[in-house]
Amino acid sequence: RKEVEQDPGPFNVPEGATVAFNCTYSNSASQSFFWYRQDCRKEPKLLMSVYSSGNEDGRFTAQLNRASQYISLLIRDSKLSDSATYLCVVNPDNYGQNFVFGPGTRLSVLP
Amino acid sequence: EAQVTQNPRYLITVTGKKLTVTCSQNMNHEYMSWYRQDPGLGLRQIYYSMNVEVTDKGDVPEGYKVSRKEKRNFPLILESPSPNQTSLYFCASSPLDRGNEKLFFGSGTQLSVL
Repeated sequence: RKEVEQDPGPFNVPEGATVAFNCTYSNSASQSFFWYRQDCRKEPKLLMSVYSSGNEDGRFTAQLNRASQYISLLIRDSKLSDSATYLCVVNPDNYGQNFVFGPGTRLSVLP
Repeated sequence: EAQVTQNPRYLITVTGKKLTVTCSQNMNHEYMSWYRQDPGLGLRQIYYSMNVEVTDKGDVPEGYKVSRKEKRNFPLILESPSPNQTSLYFCASSPLDRGNEKLFFGSGTQLSVL
């Protein structure tokens, strides 16, 4: 089983829709979780950090379920500019030992 | 401005010709890392470093070398590049203190080995 797995996608949604991605991780001791956004051939950029049960920033909500070992990202009122690949990143160690990337989920928001 | 600087942005070379991709950060981060990204395979870690003179292999270290002689610099060295190392490369850095870790990425280096 891979350390970090994500919904394979792609997700094609109309503008204004609500879309949710899931990410599962295998290391139950993982402490820190992140969602990054990556546009085609560009560097990934941090969208949200999740340390406790969840985090919310405007239209974006991340939720962490430690018992089931998954993190979700919810995007409300999708915009065309939300089209990108969303990367789930897990820090498996207590001391920031390393970062493990999921394969990414591609989102296309259609007009 | 806080940033990670990678150079060059694009590089075309031939098989066997040694090359170095530079990476520098101005944020005094302990952690630095190199990734390669290929279509359908996502980001794969090549090497990482927890601090000066401390480096470790990632998932795909074969054919690469790194060094961390100074905190700010983490060059990626390809001693004898081969066509299967054609890829998009990213360098990243992060502080290590819990609750403050966040990866900052360079703009990437597109490498083509002919």
